[in-house]
Amino acid sequence: GENVEQHPSTLSVQEGDSAVIKCTYSDSASNYFPWYKQELGKRPQLIIDIRSNVGEKKDQRIAVTLNKTAKHFSLHITETQPEDSAVYFCAATVYSGGGADGLTFGKGTHLIIQP
Amino acid sequence: KAGVTQTPRYLIKTRGQQVTLSCSPISGHRSVSWYQQTPGQGLQFLFEYFSETQRNKGNFPGRFSGRQFSNSRSEMNVSTLELGDSALYLCASSLLAENTEAFFGQGTRLTVV
Repeated sequence: GENVEQHPSTLSVQEGDSAVIKCTYSDSASNYFPWYKQELGKRPQLIIDIRSNVGEKKDQRIAVTLNKTAKHFSLHITETQPEDSAVYFCAATVYSGGGADGLTFGKGTHLIIQP
Repeated sequence: KAGVTQTPRYLIKTRGQQVTLSCSPISGHRSVSWYQQTPGQGLQFLFEYFSETQRNKGNFPGRFSGRQFSNSRSEMNVSTLELGDSALYLCASSLLAENTEAFFGQGTRLTVV
């Protein structure tokens, strides 16, 4: 089955700086890679996703890159703000015509934005 | 539009008992998935239902089961509870099988004593 490794487990950055979180996956058949943000006591919320036919996707201050050859994908947050403080999870799954397998999640990164 | 609703929000059970958790997906969403979240293991996939059929299952023992009704609402059941089953159980719904964006509910916090 799929295995997703996520690093670092904790990341502390100064407000205004950039943050990068990296994930690797094992199943070369995986073709959908979402990122979720979970604030304390709240539900995970999708912030950005990328499919295997795309190498990069941006949404305002957030971007995700995918390297299929190396089987890794990364989340980039620029101009970090206090409200970016949360736990971020990467995930991978195989989507086929019959639907999607369950998401395999990384263990999460606790992002701390220092004022 | 109402989000994914899970009931109850909190539950305390004794070892050996069984428990049923409920999930109402976003209106129109036909795919419902269940996940277990613990500090040690993170988010782990339990199973996924689409049109009342279980299509995928994670690596959990048979004590964990689920079902989906014709209105897409889903329930999951855990029998013979163990202390290690204490976790946040999250349900996620998707619009169609082809749309993999999953929207999560607030979860049910299960404590086994």
